Amino acid sequence: GAGVSQSPRYKVAKRGQDVALRCDPISGHVSLFWYQQALGQGPEFLTYFQNEAQLDKSGLPSDRFFAERPEGSVSTLKIQRTQQEDSAVYLCASSYYSSGSYNEQFFGPGTRLTVL
Amino acid sequence: QKEVEQNSGPLSVPEGAIASLNCTYSDRGSQSFFWYRQYSGKSPELIMSIYSNGDKEDGRFTAQLNKASQYVSLLIRDSQPSDSATYLCAVDNNNDMRFGAGTRLTVKP
Repeated sequence: GAGVSQSPRYKVAKRGQDVALRCDPISGHVSLFWYQQALGQGPEFLTYFQNEAQLDKSGLPSDRFFAERPEGSVSTLKIQRTQQEDSAVYLCASSYYSSGSYNEQFFGPGTRLTVL
Repeated sequence: QKEVEQNSGPLSVPEGAIASLNCTYSDRGSQSFFWYRQYSGKSPELIMSIYSNGDKEDGRFTAQLNKASQYVSLLIRDSQPSDSATYLCAVDNNNDMRFGAGTRLTVKP
């Protein structure tokens, strides 16, 4: 079946603009995760959904970052008033299981955000 | 101390050799352990998962887990130039996944 998809693949924003990044998880996957990956680093956790419930948003770096998954499928990560330090690749991953072990996460291709 | 530590490399091995990648983690409550491969400019791809102490083999890949030592490793046998990538170690405690910074592997023909 289809994997995780993300759009747009590339986004260039001027400092201060708002952006919205979309993630379509694998069909039937309960859990959805957002990560931020800086160059040369591993992915850093941002937030996690189980169905439509946002169970953990401890990784969101500021209140400019907001994520939602209103119908328990597609998710949107919104960044308001973008800053240069927001430039990174934003990765979405989904997992079949809701909790506990066997949390194999499958990643989408990512959105590369560049803030000028 | 980082939660998941990996040698950043680069690790260079000749084609056909065994590549050995290591990872240590700090959270003793971690339950699930994963190795992801990431080619330059691409997203991480899951290649191995391991949940209990010991070895797990899948083709040319073997993952090893020692929870007492908080240590995970990945062995790649008969390394190929196509294995050249960054390998990310990931450690999960009930949907709290932490990644290492990755080890860059180069397999030379």
